[in-house]
Amino acid sequence: GAVVSQHPSRVICKSGTSVKIECRSLDFQATTMFWYRQFPKKSLMLMATSNEGSKATYEQGVEKDKFLINHASLTLSTLTVTSAHPEDSSFYICSAATRGQETQYFGPGTRLLVL
Amino acid sequence: GESVGLHLPTLSVQEGDNSIINCAYSNSASDYFIWYKQESGKGPQFIIDIRSNMDKRQGQRVTVLLNKTVKHLSLQIAATQPGDSAVYFCAETWTGKTSYDKVIFGPGTSLSVIP
Repeated sequence: GAVVSQHPSRVICKSGTSVKIECRSLDFQATTMFWYRQFPKKSLMLMATSNEGSKATYEQGVEKDKFLINHASLTLSTLTVTSAHPEDSSFYICSAATRGQETQYFGPGTRLLVL
Repeated sequence: GESVGLHLPTLSVQEGDNSIINCAYSNSASDYFIWYKQESGKGPQFIIDIRSNMDKRQGQRVTVLLNKTVKHLSLQIAATQPGDSAVYFCAETWTGKTSYDKVIFGPGTSLSVIP
């Protein structure tokens, strides 16, 4: 149980284009989903927290208009990197949790490369 | 402060030996702690958790110790195997009453098992 999927697992795009990453909880309802960014050999950096049906809460320094997050249902959250640039290249990981349970379950991550 | 963005410390152990991975957490109000394992190119995987009302918890081949006095957490892996090679993150959170609170990740420790 507690499986989280991400799609795509890897994406290469041209600078200036937008990329959408999906995060799905497959066997449970996720009242809260989190989006992280991870640089090589570094820890996870929380970008934003989203509750189903509400606007996402962004961490300090994360541009809301750059990283659009939508949590439209209890099983799906999306992260859209708008007008991507090479510095946005990174490993993006989502996690999901259910209210009343503190444990987050992570997706497999999405490797984004912006050329 | 938050322990993110630091370089990974490393630990090398011989196959069959026991491993001890240490973590200093930052918030004295944290009451729930989790250890995650992250293999290369994958998302973090839940290993074991512990609440602040406990000082030890055992799982299969893993034990987590919590010392709230010095804000220290450790993960012990018995009879370390090559498949244990990964980056291990400790994480802390404080369980809110009305909402899901974010998790703060430690910098991670890279464990290498020598066959």
